[in-house]
Formats: sequence, structure tokens, C-alpha cells
Amino acid sequence: DIQMTQSPSSLSASVGDRVTITCRASQDISNYLAWFQQKPGKAPKSLIYAASSLQSGVPSNFSGSGSGTDFTLTISSLQPEDFATYYCQQYRSFPPTFGPGTKVDIK
Amino acid sequence: EVQLVQSGAEVKKPGESLRISCKGSGYSFTSYWINWVRQMPGKGLEWMGTIDPSDSYIKYNPSFQGHVTMSVDKAISTAYLQWNSLKASDTAIYYCARPTNWYDSTSPPDYWGQGTLVTVSS
Repeated sequence: DIQMTQSPSSLSASVGDRVTITCRASQDISNYLAWFQQKPGKAPKSLIYAASSLQSGVPSNFSGSGSGTDFTLTISSLQPEDFATYYCQQYRSFPPTFGPGTKVDIK
Repeated sequence: EVQLVQSGAEVKKPGESLRISCKGSGYSFTSYWINWVRQMPGKGLEWMGTIDPSDSYIKYNPSFQGHVTMSVDKAISTAYLQWNSLKASDTAIYYCARPTNWYDSTSPPDYWGQGTLVTVSS
């Protein structure tokens, strides 16, 4: 299976901050990379697919980039509703695998 | 509106059997695969497998093959996840989810069920 890592594992930030989360794959996955947001007690929400394409309804302050093995999720201006855990997922190789998550909390 | 509605929380004893459900609505249920994802307490997401509701073809993650059974009843637009003999380590939240692309079973989900908490304890 392809292993996914994320950094940092957690971060503290303030409303309005620019936040960047990194995801790395153990082998080349091209752009088969998705990002999800999960709030406590809730189901995950899809944010981005194909590394940089926003799912319908996702605010434009979210963006994704990268290709190959290194990817980033950027929140350009953190909003109160963005405090959550973020997961990356590769779907280039079977089975799809998720990263361990990055928890974003309030500073 | 696309919705996936899962059955309620379950509390079971080790060795018992269980089937949980996921009912799809607001779209053509047989056109999209249904994925199952596990989240153990305080842990991350694990992709368990996927089933094609049109013909019940299943692709299991090898890590879960033999431990769970996926099935579907397309007449009532419902997918199922079943255990024959539960273990304490099956305690988790289980999500069903619909892939973004109808033709790609492993494309990232765009719609998720609300999750079913399964607790296995003696």
C-alpha cells in the first residue's frame, strides 16, 4: 500500500492566518490526491480532488497544489469554521489510503 | 438532494453478528459505487472497500477481506456492511460514502453518510 504522511500533525492558528498543511506519498501518485475536512462528531467533508480541484460549494480560501509525491493544502485566511482535522488521501493505487491527519486548533 | 442515511448506533458483545445499513436517495443508486470507511476511536480514516450496486461486484481492501461482508439491495437503494463474529477491535465509526465519479470506484467521495458507531464490549 502507498503510505501517506502529513505535517504537521497539529497546529495552532488564529482567525485570519494563512495555514499550510503538507502531505507526502511514499511513491509517485501523479495528481490523484484528495483533501478532506472533519469536525468532531461529524462525517468527513470533501474539499479538494485531483490535487487542486475544489469540490462544489467549497470556499475559495481553500486551495491545493502539488504533483508526484508532495502536496499542500492552503487555507488563505483561516475562518472560525475551519478549525478541524484535515486528511489527505491518495487514490492512484489500490487500496486508497489516507494520511494520519492534521488537527488545526485555535491559538 | 443526494443523501446517504445510515442506521443507528449499535452495542454488541464479542462473537455476535451485526449488519449496518446505508440508504441512498436523491440520485440513481445503481449508477455509483458505495464505499465503506472505518474510523477507530480517536484515529484516522481507513478505506475498507467498495460495492457496485448495479451488480454487487465488490472490491475489498485486503486488510479487511474476510473480516466483513458488503452487500446491497438495489430494490430499496440500500447498502450493507456485515460482521459474522464481532471483536472488540471492531469498535469504530463506519461511514458509507459515494465516489465523486460514477465510473471510478476509488475516486474520492463527495457525499458521506452520517456514520454508524459500533461498540463491541463484553
